[in-house]
Amino acid sequence: QVQLVQSGAEVKKPGASVKVSCKASGYTFTSYGISWVRQAPGQGLEWMGWISAYNGNTNYAQKLQGRVTMTTDTSTSTAYMELRSLRSDDTAVYYCARDLGVGELFDIWGQGTMVTVSS
Amino acid sequence: DIQMTQSPSSLSASVGDRVTITCRASQSISSYLNWYQQKPGKAPKLLIYAASSLQSGVPSRFSGSGSGTDFTLTISSLQPEDFATYYCQQSYSTPGTFGQGTRLEIK
Repeated sequence: QVQLVQSGAEVKKPGASVKVSCKASGYTFTSYGISWVRQAPGQGLEWMGWISAYNGNTNYAQKLQGRVTMTTDTSTSTAYMELRSLRSDDTAVYYCARDLGVGELFDIWGQGTMVTVSS
Repeated sequence: DIQMTQSPSSLSASVGDRVTITCRASQSISSYLNWYQQKPGKAPKLLIYAASSLQSGVPSRFSGSGSGTDFTLTISSLQPEDFATYYCQQSYSTPGTFGQGTRLEIK
């Protein structure tokens, strides 16, 4: 079946970096984009950015520009999201989602990866 | 960025009730409006896209309507598994902003 499986929980210190993976299966990886959405504890959903799995083009949320990098490895159908210079307010569950390419429309989601930033 | 405002923020209802959740956009988004359901500790699930199209596999008791700036999600007869948080999201322009969520609780 179509699914996205993410890497496990991470605990990082302020100023460090984190890289979360998202492995796709059950569909042609390069036919869709991948968006990343995060959710701080008890809060709503925040779109972080998008990457085309076809050609690697990216579009990042303005507030994260310069701190986030999204990449893909088409040989393993895996997307990656790296966030640098972590702060306590980056503590959140990070989701990858298959983006249908009609604006940001997400039909398949990963299970989420908890990233905790704490000294 | 387009602001999405949902009302109410929380709602108590009983099994079998008809429930309506409203979402308002800060500018016209045509029909580029999606609804997601999220249960505690789980990823969101797409219910409705393009304002009124039911995602495959979603029960027909869910329906969506609206265009421009005002939209609604209706659950015709609440089932126990429907108690969750619901988010609207616009896909008219980047970033695809979400509403703050409506928590649907059992009365």
